[in-house]
Amino acid sequence: GENVEQHPSTLSVQEGDSAVIKCTYSDSASNYFPWYKQELGKRPQLIIDIRSNVGEKKDQRIAVTLNKTAKHFSLHITETQPEDSAVYFCAASKSFGNEKLTFGTGTRLTIIP
Amino acid sequence: GAVVSQHPSWVICKSGTSVKIECRSLDFQATTMFWYRQFPKQSLMLMATSNEGSKATYEQGVEKDKFLINHASLTLSTLTVTSAHPEDSSFYICSAPKASGRSSYNEQFFGPGTRLTVL
Repeated sequence: GENVEQHPSTLSVQEGDSAVIKCTYSDSASNYFPWYKQELGKRPQLIIDIRSNVGEKKDQRIAVTLNKTAKHFSLHITETQPEDSAVYFCAASKSFGNEKLTFGTGTRLTIIP
Repeated sequence: GAVVSQHPSWVICKSGTSVKIECRSLDFQATTMFWYRQFPKQSLMLMATSNEGSKATYEQGVEKDKFLINHASLTLSTLTVTSAHPEDSSFYICSAPKASGRSSYNEQFFGPGTRLTVL
């Protein structure tokens, strides 16, 4: 089955700096890669996703890149703000989002004011 | 966007009792729903795929006789934790795929989760 690895497990950055979180996946059939932000006790919130037919996607301060050959994808957050502090999970799925998600282990991001 | 609800939001029960958790898609029909479990400070792990009108598909290591799933309608899936024990204490979250308003593709919509504490 699919295996998703995520690094780093914790990340602290100064407010205004950029944060990068990286994930690798094992199943070449995976074609949907969402990123979620989760606050304590809450449901995961989708912040951005990418499908295997594109290599990069951007939404304001958030961007995701995908390298299908190397089977890795990354989340980039620019101009970080204190409200970006949370746990972030990457995930992988087949069938463009219709099937089960395999999650990474999570990254606790702390923005230092 | 699509809304998925769960009930109850939290439950405390005694060891050996059974607990039922409901997952509802409020504004769309879901032939498939997914049940995840999240232990403190850990990731979400898929337990099973719930299929409307047929048997659920369980992930390796998840006991189907302990975690009973019923997907009797296109808007409701239930997870029953039978003979619950303290080690079953966790955050249980369901999700269902639906086309998002942002693209023609599907995305997973998550319920708010149910925190189960077994004493």
